[in-house]
Amino acid sequence: ETGVTQTPRHLVMGMTNKKSLKCEQHLGHNAMYWYKQSAKKPLELMFVYNFKEQTENNSVPSRFSPECPNSSHLFLHLHTLQPEDSALYLCASSQDPGERDTQYFGPGTRLTVL
Amino acid sequence: GNSVTQMEGPVTLSEEAFLTINCTYTATGYPSLFWYVQYPGEGLQLLLKATKADDKGSNKGFEATYRKETTSFHLEKGSVQVSDSAVYFCALDSNYQLIWGAGTKLIIKP
Repeated sequence: ETGVTQTPRHLVMGMTNKKSLKCEQHLGHNAMYWYKQSAKKPLELMFVYNFKEQTENNSVPSRFSPECPNSSHLFLHLHTLQPEDSALYLCASSQDPGERDTQYFGPGTRLTVL
Repeated sequence: GNSVTQMEGPVTLSEEAFLTINCTYTATGYPSLFWYVQYPGEGLQLLLKATKADDKGSNKGFEATYRKETTSFHLEKGSVQVSDSAVYFCALDSNYQLIWGAGTKLIIKP
């Protein structure tokens, strides 16, 4: 596979469930990102990782917990979510964090919280 | 603070029509400006960009000109196709942060 892949593509969960989103990039990039895309709202940058180290957390609630075990994989662990967390969650990567204009995006995970 | 405002969609056009999607921005300094496109079921892709005033970015028949005097970066295409149906995002790069517009959904009917 090439590019940025995300699994699952769709996820429905209850507010008490624990689930994880997975992102994998096959581009040899060093930086990875999680975004939240809600209808008719600008993309919200959630987290930035550089060489497995978290470099940005944009005031994201603790019910979202990212994990980056290596520079190719990024997870978003979900716990005790709220219905307003329903959105499309996009993963992206770039060669370095300073090259955000050349990010490559995955197709996203459509999350519905009941 | 920095911000990007796009025209609200959806924009519905017939095939071969002329397209304009408006984008205006507020920023300090001289940011780079971008248009991204998100086709159904796919991630965002960079469509075009401009890095300084009066630059014109172009790709796949789309164009946008960086207008400093009007703080605008409107996206245009002379003749749209059904395959152009997608969501289009305007964005600016300020201090290595991408500031995004809310997106404009474009629907092209045959």
